[in-house]
Order: sequence, then C-alpha cells, then structure tokens
Amino acid sequence: GDQVEQSPSALSLHEGTDSALRCNFTTTMRSVQWFRQNSRGSLISLFYLASGTKENGRLKSAFDSKERRYSTLHIRDAQLEDSGTYFCAAGNNNAGAKLTFGGGTRLTVRP
Amino acid sequence: DPKIIQKPKYLVAVTGSEKILICEQYLGHNAMYWYRQSAKKPLEFMFSYSYQKLMDNQTASSRFQPQSSKKNHLDLQITALKPDDSATYFCASSQDHSANSDYTFGSGTRLLVI
Repeated sequence: GDQVEQSPSALSLHEGTDSALRCNFTTTMRSVQWFRQNSRGSLISLFYLASGTKENGRLKSAFDSKERRYSTLHIRDAQLEDSGTYFCAAGNNNAGAKLTFGGGTRLTVRP
Repeated sequence: DPKIIQKPKYLVAVTGSEKILICEQYLGHNAMYWYRQSAKKPLEFMFSYSYQKLMDNQTASSRFQPQSSKKNHLDLQITALKPDDSATYFCASSQDHSANSDYTFGSGTRLLVI
C-alpha cells in the first residue's frame, strides 16, 4: 500500500536554530497535512497543503507540486515549546479520504 | 472550546469485556473517522463515515463496530477486548469525505486492556 517515510526519526536542536523535516511518499499524493503531537498526546494540525507552500510564524511547509512525492516542514528559530512529535499524513485519490501517516519525528529543543 | 470531544480520555478494561468510545464533533463536518495509535507505530486508519454512512473499513476484526446515531456522532464499540487492543484511539472529522480534506483530530481515548 501507500507508504509515507518520514525523516529524521528524532532530532535535537538548540534554541534559536533552524531545521527541516521531510516526508517522502512512495506514490503520488493529492494532499499532505502536518501535525504536532504534544506531551499530552493531542494532535494539533499545523498545515494542510494541496500544493505549494504555507507559512505560519516560524513554521513553513512545502508540498512538491510537480511530482507530489514529498513534503517538507521548516522550523526557524526553534523554541522550547516546539518540542514534540511531528507527523506528516498524506491523502491519495485512490484511497478515498484515508490519511496515511508517517512514523513521526521526535523533536527536542534544548536551551 | 474543543471542537471534537472524545470520552473518556482514559479507559482501563478487562480482557473479554466490551467498551464504547464516544466522539462528537461541533465543526459541522460531514465526514468522520477513527484512527488508532499503538505503541511505536504510526497512526493507522480504521474507519471513515460520510453523512452517517460507512465509506471505508480497514479494520480486520469485526470486534470493532462504529455507531453513528447522529450526523456529528461517531462512537466506536469494541467487543471481546484483548490486550493487543491497548492503544490511543483518535476520532477525526473533515468537511467532506475526500483526499482533499483538511482533518481535525480529537484529543484521543487512551485504552489499556489488562
């Protein structure tokens, strides 16, 4: 079936630094959504993209509009509250409304 | 205010028993879903509903039965519980049932079967 490969699986950053997370899809996807799961387990939606890029504060996400085979999430000036597990999830026309999730990136931001 | 309410937040059940996980959404969405997050696994799709009708079922076991009494409700009944059913169960919704939909997730029900 469709697979979503997320990298890195874990990441440690110092406060104030920048980094990027990536999701690769084994097939063409229609849309991608990025979530952060906090320490209480809640899934917070960060971005939904059907194409192009979106930016919200220090976060920016892009979805490869040409081949639709990968997406990235950039974190600028990382803060302690950015710590958590980040998931990407992709939708495919052949899979109805089902989202296929990646394995997540566990991000720790250190002072 | 939470837009998707899941109850209970935590649940401990005995092997062989039956439990119902509650989900209500107040977003006016037409599609609702259940996902499961087991330890060390990605979130897995279980069911999708659109206008209270089952659209997709990728749960192998018939012990898992969704129930939709109202358009904004999608409960999950689990019978003959097993320890392997221990997981966090997330309810979600979207405006429409399509690959182009923006999902909102509830905060989950963490189930432990002993």
